[in-house]
Amino acid sequence: NAGVTQTPKFQVLKTGQSMTLQCAQDMNHNSMYWYRQDPGMGLRLIYYSASEGTTDKGEVPNGYNVSRLNKREFSLRLESAAPSQTSVYFCASRVGTGAYEQYFGPGTRLTVT
Amino acid sequence: KQEVTQIPAALSVPEGENLVLNCSFTDSAIYNLQWFRQDPGKGLTSLLLIQSSQREQTSGRLNASLDKSSGRSTLYIAASQPGDSATYLCAVYTGANSKLTFGKGITLSVRP
Repeated sequence: NAGVTQTPKFQVLKTGQSMTLQCAQDMNHNSMYWYRQDPGMGLRLIYYSASEGTTDKGEVPNGYNVSRLNKREFSLRLESAAPSQTSVYFCASRVGTGAYEQYFGPGTRLTVT
Repeated sequence: KQEVTQIPAALSVPEGENLVLNCSFTDSAIYNLQWFRQDPGKGLTSLLLIQSSQREQTSGRLNASLDKSSGRSTLYIAASQPGDSATYLCAVYTGANSKLTFGKGITLSVRP
């Protein structure tokens, strides 16, 4: 039981390049989330998927797209990376959109030069 | 809009001390509250989840309390150890789909 896994762990991009961050969970959770963590800003929600087949914007969605590929997997795509997207990205999941405990992955550290 | 505040941003204590970490939130209409621990360069580890109907929750040396009406939660750490050094984040569940709003965390250093 690996919980929430994320790939890659580290990535360096040049401005304008694109990439996809992958997230998978093996807990049969319905809801999945993408956050970014920046110094002094705390954790902010980018997008979430309340259940398979649905996605919604969070607090800071601009510059990102998401895909809920199936119940297990939720990916985050940067179409044209910008230095402002340099951050640590965390994926999380929980049973459902009720106030269930949320579980986090280990994070992806992204630098855009 | 819900806002979560954790003060102070950093705390340094000698080993063995009992300590209290504070969390306050502006909208008392929360569902649950969750405390997390984050080690440098790592993800978030859940410590305690307090249901809105509960007043407190305990796990080992940790005890978290919740006072919804005053918009406050505290995390009590008994007999602190150097291994407790980490950042502690508080998050509340509010609004549609019970989304989490995080505080910025308290970075704790326990000196041997």
